[in-house]
Amino acid sequence: QQPVQSPQAVILREGEDAVINCSSSKALYSVHWYRQKHGEAPVFLMILLKGGEQKGHDKISASFNEKKQQSSLYLTASQLSYSGTYFCGTEPRQGAQKLVFGQGTRLTINP
Amino acid sequence: NAGVTQTPKFRILKIGQSMTLQCTQDMNHNYMYWYRQDPGMGLKLIYYSVGAGITDKGEVPNGYNVSRSTTEDFPLRLELAAPSQTSVYFCASSSNRGSAGELFFGEGSRLTVL
Repeated sequence: QQPVQSPQAVILREGEDAVINCSSSKALYSVHWYRQKHGEAPVFLMILLKGGEQKGHDKISASFNEKKQQSSLYLTASQLSYSGTYFCGTEPRQGAQKLVFGQGTRLTINP
Repeated sequence: NAGVTQTPKFRILKIGQSMTLQCTQDMNHNYMYWYRQDPGMGLKLIYYSVGAGITDKGEVPNGYNVSRSTTEDFPLRLELAAPSQTSVYFCASSSNRGSAGELFFGEGSRLTVL
C-alpha cells in the first residue's frame, strides 16, 4: 500500500528542472507533497484531490492522474533552497483521514 | 502561536525502560498523529486520533500506546523499549475537512534505545 517514489535521489545544478514521481498500486483519493530538510520536520507543499487537477505555487507544481494512480511533482529553474527530501503521502479514499508516505526522493541542488 | 510542541527533543533509553513522548498543539485541531522515521526512510504512522477520546492504530502500532483525553494533548507511551524503536518520532496535527488536510509537524523527538 506504500506508494513508490522515483527517482530515489537526484542531483541538479541550480536552474535545472526536476520531476519526482509517486505511484500507487491502489486507487487514490488524494496525494499530498511534503519537503523535509535535513534534521527538520516535513513541511507541507500541496494537496491534489481526485479529479486530475494540477496545482502549483512559485516554481513548484504537481499533477495527479487518478486513472494511473500517479502524481508528479515538477520543480522548474531549481534554487538552492529546493534541496531536501521530498515525500508523497497518499489517501486511499475520501474520509480515510490519514496518509501513507512514500520512501522519499532526495534532491540535491548544487551551485 | 506555538503550533505543535513535542518533548523531549532527545532521549536515550535502556532496553526494557518505558517513557512517554509528549505532544501538544494550540491550533484546536481535531486530528492528531504520531509518526516514526527511521534513518533515510519515510514516515510510518504509529497511531492517530480523530478527536478527544478516540484513537486508532496506524501501520506500526506494536510496542506503543496512546491516549487523547483533551483536544490539545496526544502523548505516546513506549513500553519495554527495544533497539528497534530507535527512531525520530514526529507528532502532527490537522484540521481535516472530509479528507486528510495539511499536516503541521512538531520538531521531532530523537529516541535512542541501547
